[in-house]
Amino acid sequence: GESVGLHLPTLSVQEGDNSIINCAYSNSASDYFIWYKQESGKGPQFIIDIRSNMDKRQGQRVTVLLNKTVKHLSLQIAATQPGDSAVYFCAENLGDYKLSFGAGTTVTVRA
Amino acid sequence: NAGVTQTPKFQVLKTGQSMTLQCAQDMNHNSMYWYRQDPGMGLRLIYYSASEGTTDKGEVPNGYNVSRLNKREFSLRLESAAPSQTSVYFCASSRQGGSNQPQHFGDGTRLSIL
Repeated sequence: GESVGLHLPTLSVQEGDNSIINCAYSNSASDYFIWYKQESGKGPQFIIDIRSNMDKRQGQRVTVLLNKTVKHLSLQIAATQPGDSAVYFCAENLGDYKLSFGAGTTVTVRA
Repeated sequence: NAGVTQTPKFQVLKTGQSMTLQCAQDMNHNSMYWYRQDPGMGLRLIYYSASEGTTDKGEVPNGYNVSRLNKREFSLRLESAAPSQTSVYFCASSRQGGSNQPQHFGDGTRLSIL
């Protein structure tokens, strides 16, 4: 089965609110994680990554949190905008050039 | 800067036909990858090329072949298409696979096998 999965398949959020997307992973040896955004008809777009020696990393309007104790990853989007509507995937580096992807969370932003 | 370019964007084939999906990247990346994406399944790795001149099987290689033509180009071939190969195919590249570097994706080829 998949080693990376997302807690919820869908998330509806009011424009301007903060979004939190969760991801659980099962491989405690994984040392690198990535969040991708995929818009309809497009390929996955890199958002932010984090290495296992960190527990938090911030980008522009996004923050990734890593909790290695419970093998949990989250993506926080500040002040969610309509353009943030997409499917979000977390990916886990399994080594040997392989990433494991979850099935994704569909985020819908309400105006 | 185009990034990862895939052609064609759409294709319809009949069962048994052959086809090659093309991928090129202009980021001077060493590693390239082919994935398929099916509803509810996430992205699954078909084949990858760690560096020019090498290719290796991923999670779902059966029914496919690949060629790393040069550093820029990595093609995926279906020798005898089957309906189970109906999917969206994505090519990706990374600066150095096997290390902690993100993969960058093209916009996909949507393939239907009748």
